[in-house]
Amino acid sequence: GQQVMQIPQYQHVQEGEDFTTYCNSSTTLSNIQWYKQRPGGHPVFLIQLVKSGEVKKQKRLTFQFGEAKKNSSLHITATQTTDVGTYFCAGQDSYDKVIFGPGTSLSVIP
Amino acid sequence: GAVVSQHPSRVICKSGTSVKIECRSLDFQATTMFWYRQFPKQSLMLMATSNEGSKATYEQGVEKDKFLINHASLTLSTLTVTSAHPEDSSFYICSASSPSGGINEKLFFGSGTQLSVL
Repeated sequence: GQQVMQIPQYQHVQEGEDFTTYCNSSTTLSNIQWYKQRPGGHPVFLIQLVKSGEVKKQKRLTFQFGEAKKNSSLHITATQTTDVGTYFCAGQDSYDKVIFGPGTSLSVIP
Repeated sequence: GAVVSQHPSRVICKSGTSVKIECRSLDFQATTMFWYRQFPKQSLMLMATSNEGSKATYEQGVEKDKFLINHASLTLSTLTVTSAHPEDSSFYICSASSPSGGINEKLFFGSGTQLSVL
C-alpha cells in the first residue's frame, strides 16, 4: 500500500537558523498537505499542494511539490521559538485516502 | 475555517469497559470522517473511514468489532472502543473533510481524546 516517509525524524536548530523537512511517497499523489502539531495539541492544517512543481509561501515557510508528485518539502527561514512542533506531511492518493508521514519534530534553541 | 468538535478530551476507564468518543462537524456537513490513532511521539495512523449512512471502512489490522464506528448523521461520527484493555490506551483523533468536496480536500481535526485504560 501507499507509504509516506519523512526525514529527518528530529531536528534541533538554533533560533534564526533555517530548517527543512522532506517528504516522499511510494506512489504518485493527487495532492499533498502539511500539518503542524504543537506539543500536546492536535494537527493544524498549514497548506495543500496540488500541481506538479508547485511552490507556495506563507511568510517564512516555503512549500514545494515535486515534479513527479511523489515528494515535497517544507522550508522555514530564520526559525523562531514559535515554530517548535512536529510537522507532518500527508499524501492523498487517487482513492481519497490521506496517509500521514511519521513527522519531523523541530526544536528551536533560543 | 471549518470546526470539528471531539468529546471527551480525556477519559480514564477500567479494563473491560467500553468508551464512546464523539466527533461533530459544527458548521458544515461531513459525509466522510476519518479516525486516527496516535501513539506518543509517533505519527497519525488511519484506523478507519466513516461514511454517513453506510458501514465504515477499516484499515488493515484494525479490528472492526473492537473499534465500532457509527456515522448516523452528516454532523456526527462516533468511535466506541469495546472491552478496552491497557494496550488500547492512546490518543484518538477524528477529522472531517472540508465542505468543498472533490478529491482535493483538506482535513480539519478534532482536538483529540486521550484514552487511558487501567
